[in-house]
Amino acid sequence: DSGVTQTPKHLITATGQRVTLRCSPRSGDLSVYWYQQSLDQGLQFLIQYYNGEERAKGNILERFSAQQFPDLHSELNLSSLELGDSALYFCASSVVLDGGTQYFGPGTRLTVL
Amino acid sequence: AQTVTQSQPEMSVQEAETVTLSCTYDTSENNYYLFWYKQPPSRQMILVIRQEAYKQQNATENRFSVNFQKAAKSFSLKISDSQLGDTAMYFCAFMKPPNRHGSRLTFGEGTQLTVNP
Repeated sequence: DSGVTQTPKHLITATGQRVTLRCSPRSGDLSVYWYQQSLDQGLQFLIQYYNGEERAKGNILERFSAQQFPDLHSELNLSSLELGDSALYFCASSVVLDGGTQYFGPGTRLTVL
Repeated sequence: AQTVTQSQPEMSVQEAETVTLSCTYDTSENNYYLFWYKQPPSRQMILVIRQEAYKQQNATENRFSVNFQKAAKSFSLKISDSQLGDTAMYFCAFMKPPNRHGSRLTFGEGTQLTVNP
């Protein structure tokens, strides 16, 4: 158990819908990262937040957005969902001063029908 | 941009034997971090081992060790005394040191390792 929690574990929804994925980092970790793992694109970095502020952005679609709240939990919002958004979404957290080692949550499997 | 390449999509090994997974990367950075993560059938991403580029000594964690060749930009993972529980997808990952612009992991395509009884 990495100490990073993600909810829900599974999510099934329809095209065009909007969903929210939630992540709670390890105690003391200020950085939260989101990654997408799909069959055709592998593991891809989406976005990073540090202590409530966006720090780095990767291949995140405009239909996707994220935020980190004062209690450090983070949410990833996916809207206007398409079949191709079906994937495993991971959250990771790190103590940046610790060389940035990232510890991953169990992931949320999103299926868009 | 950094790239990470794992040239072995699949590998298999007999229980108790030793296996080496390959990884090469491309970067113009001098300081960085390299990681191996394992993803078993549960799909959880588990950190196996970490290497800092400024350290010449190869990292070791129990049965897992790396061969880090900075000049060759190579970072292989050796698993000794393979166990059935080592069956998993293994990902090599690269990261620049965190700074005010943030940080991110860049992953290779993965190597599916199967340990046979």
